[in-house]
Amino acid sequence: KNQVEQSPQSLIILEGKNCTLQCNYTVSPFSNLRWYKQDTGRGPVSLTIMTFSENTKSNGRYTATLDADTKQSSLHITASQLSDSASYICVVRPIYGNKLVFGAGTILRVKS
Amino acid sequence: DSGVTQTPKHLITATGQRVTLRCSPRSGDLSVYWYQQSLDQGLQFLIQYYNGEERAKGNILERFSAQQFPDLHSELNLSSLELGDSALYFCASSVPEGEAFFGQGTRLTVV
Repeated sequence: KNQVEQSPQSLIILEGKNCTLQCNYTVSPFSNLRWYKQDTGRGPVSLTIMTFSENTKSNGRYTATLDADTKQSSLHITASQLSDSASYICVVRPIYGNKLVFGAGTILRVKS
Repeated sequence: DSGVTQTPKHLITATGQRVTLRCSPRSGDLSVYWYQQSLDQGLQFLIQYYNGEERAKGNILERFSAQQFPDLHSELNLSSLELGDSALYFCASSVPEGEAFFGQGTRLTVV
């Protein structure tokens, strides 16, 4: 069964600190893996996308990594800001089938 | 602005009632997805349409139904509403293999 598991479930960090969010997936084969940021009460917005052959992708202070052998991805946030407080969702698109597979998300809270 | 429009933004209704949520996808996107997000929960896939046809089905209750019209807008119909149906309902659209762009959601409150 295609699954995406994220950890931790929630995280609180101080402004300016770095953090890393984890995503483990069983979806195989897959077309791409995206990290989305979802502000409270709003729709998710894509941060990064990686195909199975890519190892890392950056978007400003966000850097995603992918290890297709271990089926793990991580999202590293550097120099966190209060506006980074949100839910971060890992989403995998299988090659076969049309259903995107969503992780439950990690709720990040950045406090001053 | 993602280009995906959902209406209404908020909806309050009583148990047992029926409501219709509407989604207009981005121009050119043939795929429309519906998701349910209960309080503090992840996004649960309900159903996908592609160019008017149902393409994939998730954990959608029999009380719920959806359709995609020739102009590609989609409607999600929720009937015999229960308190537990209170949630954010998101619509997303995409081109094949492309990024799913999400609307701002419809917050449904069943009282």
